[in-house]
Amino acid sequence: DAGITQSPRHKVTETGTPVTLRCHQTENHRYMYWYRQDPGHGLRLIHYSYGVKDTDKGEVSDGYSVSRSKTEDFLLTLESATSSQTSVYFCAVRTSGGTDTQYFGPGTRLTVL
Amino acid sequence: QKEVEQNSGPLSVPEGAIASLNCTYSDRGSQSFFWYRQYSGKSPELIMFIYSNGDKEDGRFTAQLNKASQYVSLLIRDSQPSDSATYLCAVVSGSARQLTFGSGTQLTVLP
Repeated sequence: DAGITQSPRHKVTETGTPVTLRCHQTENHRYMYWYRQDPGHGLRLIHYSYGVKDTDKGEVSDGYSVSRSKTEDFLLTLESATSSQTSVYFCAVRTSGGTDTQYFGPGTRLTVL
Repeated sequence: QKEVEQNSGPLSVPEGAIASLNCTYSDRGSQSFFWYRQYSGKSPELIMFIYSNGDKEDGRFTAQLNKASQYVSLLIRDSQPSDSATYLCAVVSGSARQLTFGSGTQLTVLP
């Protein structure tokens, strides 16, 4: 599992509330990614980080922000959750060594009512 | 728009048969290709990666890459019921080497 944990694993919230999801890794990987997975869409990249305080947008970044103040933690924030953000969120890390291999965390199932 | 297309499935094969999963990609500059397996309610699990044209074998799995045709496939020999899952094709792209995924093919291996 490449030492990745995500919290919470499940969350139900209401429209308009802020939500923060946490990804924690123990193996000091430089690159970290947030994806969302929806039926019929596969996994889509939300944001990624290439180091502490270095982040950039992915394909579906609207409505999301991220922060990385420590190598091991990558936070995804929904400032004001909407029902369209109901999804399963996966964090991933990219291993070093030039193989571009990514390993995924266990995921967080978020429901916005 | 970089795209990765997979057979939507579902695909059903009998136990012991060869399952063939296919994927095409639009970015001719892509260099790295991955197959992930995802069981229902679980996270994607890496099966194989391939960079060079031709075949790459790992146990019962064989990945095939044809860059000229922009085509990647995964063969599963001697399919088992435990292989029943959704298989995701992914292609590396962009400066951050992020993965672009296909929507996945659901495979069912019938006992």
